[in-house]
Amino acid sequence: QQPVQSPQAVILREGEDAVINCSSSKALYSVHWYRQKHGEAPVFLMILLKGGEQKGHEKISASFNEKKQQSSLYLTASQLSYSGTYFCGTPDQGAQKLVFGQGTRLTINP
Amino acid sequence: DGGITQSPKYLFRKEGQNVTLSCEQNLNHDAMYWYRQDPGQGLRLIYYSQIVNDFQKGDIAEGYSVSREKKESFPLTVTSAQKNPTAFYLCASSIPSGQGAHGYTFGSGTRLTVV
Repeated sequence: QQPVQSPQAVILREGEDAVINCSSSKALYSVHWYRQKHGEAPVFLMILLKGGEQKGHEKISASFNEKKQQSSLYLTASQLSYSGTYFCGTPDQGAQKLVFGQGTRLTINP
Repeated sequence: DGGITQSPKYLFRKEGQNVTLSCEQNLNHDAMYWYRQDPGQGLRLIYYSQIVNDFQKGDIAEGYSVSREKKESFPLTVTSAQKNPTAFYLCASSIPSGQGAHGYTFGSGTRLTVV
């Protein structure tokens, strides 16, 4: 079952904040986050392994609420380089593979 | 530097032809994956392999085939049975989940166009 991301697209001015959500109808044991620039490969940002865990990467952080079966990615004081499409991925089939959300396109304008 | 190499970057195929996309990694990862990405959409899993000489179908395996004869190589063949093969194909690798939590490393992709 594919996780659902919201919103589908966000447009910000440089320096503004954004939140991207990832929800699953199944129990979540971990969540991956990736960023993909246009025409390029997705790049791994972080993985959250247990409920309540929070992690940070530069000014990008994430939380994982196991009970709500969701994860949120927070981008603070956004920079132009943050533009791209963000994907969450959740393990499936005994954690042998990742199922990705449909992506959230983030556009940062000067 | 370690990484994943996909080739070619762009590929044009005539209808009815089979084509093979190359994926090579020197990260010593046991697990490898093929995903398909269509414009404005997410990543859909075609095939995956957790170990040499073994692989499993993903969500959209019809019209595709793979082999895993070597740890570092996981080629994908797009056969003539695949009705709509035009897409961006991404290969990825990882340490198997049982050995800890690790993200996927992706190759730079192959853009396949049917002409």
